Amino acid sequence: QKEVEQDPGPLSVPEGAIVSLNCTYSNSAFQYFMWYRQYSRKGPELLMYTYSSGNKEDGRFTAQVDKSSKYISLFIRDSQPSDSATYLCAMSGVSGGSNYKLTFGKGTLLTVNP
Amino acid sequence: SQTIHQWPATLVQPVGSPLSLECTVEGTSNPNLYWYRQAAGRGLQLLFYSVGIGQISSEVPQNLSASRPQDRQFILSSKKLLLSDSGFYLCAGSGENTDTQYFGPGTRLTVL
Repeated sequence: QKEVEQDPGPLSVPEGAIVSLNCTYSNSAFQYFMWYRQYSRKGPELLMYTYSSGNKEDGRFTAQVDKSSKYISLFIRDSQPSDSATYLCAMSGVSGGSNYKLTFGKGTLLTVNP
Repeated sequence: SQTIHQWPATLVQPVGSPLSLECTVEGTSNPNLYWYRQAAGRGLQLLFYSVGIGQISSEVPQNLSASRPQDRQFILSSKKLLLSDSGFYLCAGSGENTDTQYFGPGTRLTVL
């Protein structure tokens, strides 16, 4: 079983739709969870950062973590064509040292159609 | 937050030629630095990371090497490129005692 599973899509939605992107993981030591957005031929940019279980909202984006189910989600409300990108989940545990390494999902390609 | 600079943006090199990709960091001191390669459908592969000057950890045995000559400079090198070295190379940095990584714009390398 892979440490982090993410459906690669592609996911295509109409403008204004609510988008749900998800990752599952197997390592119960993970405590820090991130979502990155990557436009084509660009570097990933950090969207959301959450610690442990719960929800975090930032504008149209909501990150949700359910540690009991080992499941994280990113919701995008009122999706826009500019949201079209690949979304990567990433996570890490308590490393016990200074080598903070992230484990990434493979990314979900999202297209929002005008 | 910090800013990661990478160059060049695009590079085409013949098989057997050397490689040097440079990454510099602004906005933080003592960063942890990372080199990733991203191939289509395979996600981000961590190649090297560094927690300080001269300290390099290799994640995957391969044709590449990394060096960190200064606190905010990270270099990815190869003596002889292979076709399989083609890909999108990303440098990332995180502040001291933090998990959050910030990425540079990437270098698209094509080995012919």
